Amino acid sequence: DVKLVESGGGLVKPGGSLKLSCAASGFTFSSYTMSWVRQTPEKRLEWVATISSGGSYTYYPDSVKGRFTISRDNAKNTLYLQMSSLKSEDTAMYYCTRDDSLRWDYWGQGTTLTVSS
Amino acid sequence: QIVLTQSPAIMSASPGEKVTMTCSASSSVSYMYWYQQKPGSSPRLLIYDTSNLASGVPVRFSGSGSGTSYSLTISRMEAEDAATYYCQQWSSYPPTFGAGTKLELK
Repeated sequence: DVKLVESGGGLVKPGGSLKLSCAASGFTFSSYTMSWVRQTPEKRLEWVATISSGGSYTYYPDSVKGRFTISRDNAKNTLYLQMSSLKSEDTAMYYCTRDDSLRWDYWGQGTTLTVSS
Repeated sequence: QIVLTQSPAIMSASPGEKVTMTCSASSSVSYMYWYQQKPGSSPRLLIYDTSNLASGVPVRFSGSGSGTSYSLTISRMEAEDAATYYCQQWSSYPPTFGAGTKLELK
């Protein structure tokens, strides 16, 4: 069975940094594009970042570009999201997702980030 | 970016009732995706490429539409269908979601 398990969330002060991880299992991780999607406290869903299967290509919305970095270690079947210069509006549940031909077909259970002083 | 507007925001249906919710795009999109989210759970892919059922999704769910107007239909409401439904587009970067339609059991 496909399994995505996020970790690394927590409480961070504005301007701080944090790195999220997503451990993948049950499929050939290195064959899939992966993404992070977040859900705000108001329940709004927002795409955060995408990385190609080999890690060569990354994509971000303007809201996080230059502050967030998505990466992956295919040997460890793990996806990462390095977040810096965090703002209160980054407070959300962060989900790791598998991309299958432009559809997010599997989602992890999420990890919560709270940015507050 | 493309804005997706879902309506209604909240609705209720009785068991066995037909349910239809809509998603309107600010610009034309090629395909629409639908996700179901129950309280305390992650979103689940329901419909991809406008009308294709994701794996394990009951056949009472269907999707349709084109251009700027799309819909999700449940042919006969069941208690387990009470959830929030989100539409999402990939036609134009960045991918965007609608605000959701909360479906309650009457």
